[in-house]
Amino acid sequence: QKEVEQDPGPLSVPEGAIVSLNCTYSNSAFQYFMWYRQYSRKGPELLMYTYSSGNKEDGRFTAQVDKSSKYISLFIRDSQPSDSATYLCAMRALPGSARQLTFGSGTQLTVLP
Amino acid sequence: SAVISQKPSRDICQRGTSLTIQCQVDSQVTMMFWYRQQPGQSLTLIATANQGSEATYESGFVIDKFPISRPNLTFSTLTVSNMSPEDSSIYLCSVEGGRGGTDTQYFGPGTRLTVL
Repeated sequence: QKEVEQDPGPLSVPEGAIVSLNCTYSNSAFQYFMWYRQYSRKGPELLMYTYSSGNKEDGRFTAQVDKSSKYISLFIRDSQPSDSATYLCAMRALPGSARQLTFGSGTQLTVLP
Repeated sequence: SAVISQKPSRDICQRGTSLTIQCQVDSQVTMMFWYRQQPGQSLTLIATANQGSEATYESGFVIDKFPISRPNLTFSTLTVSNMSPEDSSIYLCSVEGGRGGTDTQYFGPGTRLTVL
């Protein structure tokens, strides 16, 4: 079993739709959670990060973490064609331990105009 | 935020040859990371490179295959040695930083490698 599982998609939605992207994880040591966006032929770009359970909002993006269920989500409101990309969840353990990020496999999103 | 550049952006190589990928950062950073992203797969950490010390390799990756140099705080190289088609991947370097401080990472644009 992978440490981080992510719905691979691909996901196709009409412009203006609400998008939900999800990851589950098995390692209870993970305490920091991130979402990266990766456009085709580009490196991953950090979108959101959070340390605690609950919701964190930034513009049209909301990151949700449920540590008890080991489940994280990214919601995109009023989706735009420019949101079309691959979205990667990433997580890492506590400070002082391994500093590398563990990534999900990515969800490919297409927002249709 | 750090600006990271990688060279080359892409290359097509023959089996058995080696390719050195360069990563340049516009500010001094302590730790640099090298990842591999195989087609349709997630990012997998190859090694962590600290300036002035030997790189630390993850399970499944060895120095003879992926030698790394870190001569200063703004530069690192990753060499993919004795390449085979299975090495065809995107190779990414990253540094700590961003809105999450040292808890998050910036990534370079990647080097797309195809081995024939």
